Amino acid sequence: AQSVTQLDSHVSVSEGTPVLLRCNYSSSYSPSLFWYVQHPNKGLQLLLKYTSAATLVKGINGFEAEFKKSETSFHLTKPSAHMSDAAEYFCVVSPNTGTASKLTFGTGTRLQVTL
Amino acid sequence: DVKVTQSSRYLVKRTGEKVFLECVQDMDHENMFWYRQDPGLGLRLIYFSYDVKMKEKGDIPEGYSVSREKKERFSLILESASTNQTSMYLCASSLSYGLRAEAFFGQGTRLTVV
Repeated sequence: AQSVTQLDSHVSVSEGTPVLLRCNYSSSYSPSLFWYVQHPNKGLQLLLKYTSAATLVKGINGFEAEFKKSETSFHLTKPSAHMSDAAEYFCVVSPNTGTASKLTFGTGTRLQVTL
Repeated sequence: DVKVTQSSRYLVKRTGEKVFLECVQDMDHENMFWYRQDPGLGLRLIYFSYDVKMKEKGDIPEGYSVSREKKERFSLILESASTNQTSMYLCASSLSYGLRAEAFFGQGTRLTVV
């Protein structure tokens, strides 16, 4: 069994300040972990993924995430927010086993960026 | 680039109608998925398919069925649409598990049942 908890449903930051979106996971297997972003009226786009290589993962648009097994966390960070980062972000877990990669999504965190 | 195409961006249907949502992917992926997205609930898996003619129920299959006659096409069917099926529907495809489990999503179909 696997699950994902996104600890904040809504985060608001000022442009130019750091972003932290929190995610905790539970998985019976060594998982793959992903962050996806969804801009208004758009489909989901992959930001980054962890697949058991380096624990610090760099993604697109300056985002990165650190896999911490001891804390079962995969928090998403960015040093300096931009207005274009305003979107909804989903943390996703997938087991590294099985015939189909059944993804489990968090409930999402809406990021608001203010001037 | 992987492309997942959903046949409609917006649909309005009447209660009781049979509704077909179509999804096509062009990367020869084994797995295809249908999710619905509702505010505060994230994405919930309706059905997925890991091969032609193979399907498995997801977390919320009630009121839905699926069809996968060809590898590239995965259809979601609402046998008798109801107002509680008003939602955003997202199709996705992926290769197999683990390292290749990255899913590619279509643009979504916003369905309104009146």
